[in-house]
Amino acid sequence: GQQVMQIPQYQHVQEGEDFTTYCNSSTTLSNIQWYKQRPGGHPVFLIQLVKSGEVKKQKRLTFQFGEAKKNSSLHITATQTTDVGTYFCAGGARGSARQLTFGSGTQLTVLP
Amino acid sequence: DTGVSQDPRHKITKRGQNVTFRCDPISEHNRLYWYRQTLGQGPEFLTYFQNEAQLEKSRLLSDRFSAERPKGSFSTLEIQRTEQGDSAMYLCASSTMAQTSTNEKLFFGSGTQLSVL
Repeated sequence: GQQVMQIPQYQHVQEGEDFTTYCNSSTTLSNIQWYKQRPGGHPVFLIQLVKSGEVKKQKRLTFQFGEAKKNSSLHITATQTTDVGTYFCAGGARGSARQLTFGSGTQLTVLP
Repeated sequence: DTGVSQDPRHKITKRGQNVTFRCDPISEHNRLYWYRQTLGQGPEFLTYFQNEAQLEKSRLLSDRFSAERPKGSFSTLEIQRTEQGDSAMYLCASSTMAQTSTNEKLFFGSGTQLSVL
């Protein structure tokens, strides 16, 4: 079955430093979504990428979808304490109904 | 706030007991999903409804698990003869039908934390 892996599992950064998390799928994806889960909270949708090589920006967040549609990354510029949480990628497979396969997440800690 | 509601927030039960969780999706959403999340892991798909029809079930979903969405609105997830391995956060999510073949944006509830002693 489809597997989605994320690295790193944990990342501690000083406030103001940049942060990147990487997502890799064992199969070609039809699309990829990113979610953020604050400590004690539930996953909240951030963005969806659909096209090969797509890049989308949301303020300090930059999302990329690989050319082969098997990998993705999320980059945060100049982290703030409000960025704390776990970031999950979730891949949608071709031919699948509406399932998403979530990665195990990257837990970001921002030190003030 | 008309987000996804889940009840109860926490459930502690003894091994072998049955438990039932409820999810009320966003009212105009016709799709409803159940996911399970354990500590340090991402949400794991369990099952999915479109209106009242259960369209997909994970192969990981044992016969002890059953879900219903009788009128296409709220849903219940029942676990029979609970085991310690069932301890997890059970998340419900809802969405509307996507215009394309891609996946929809999921709106998650706050989850029900199940602890089986």
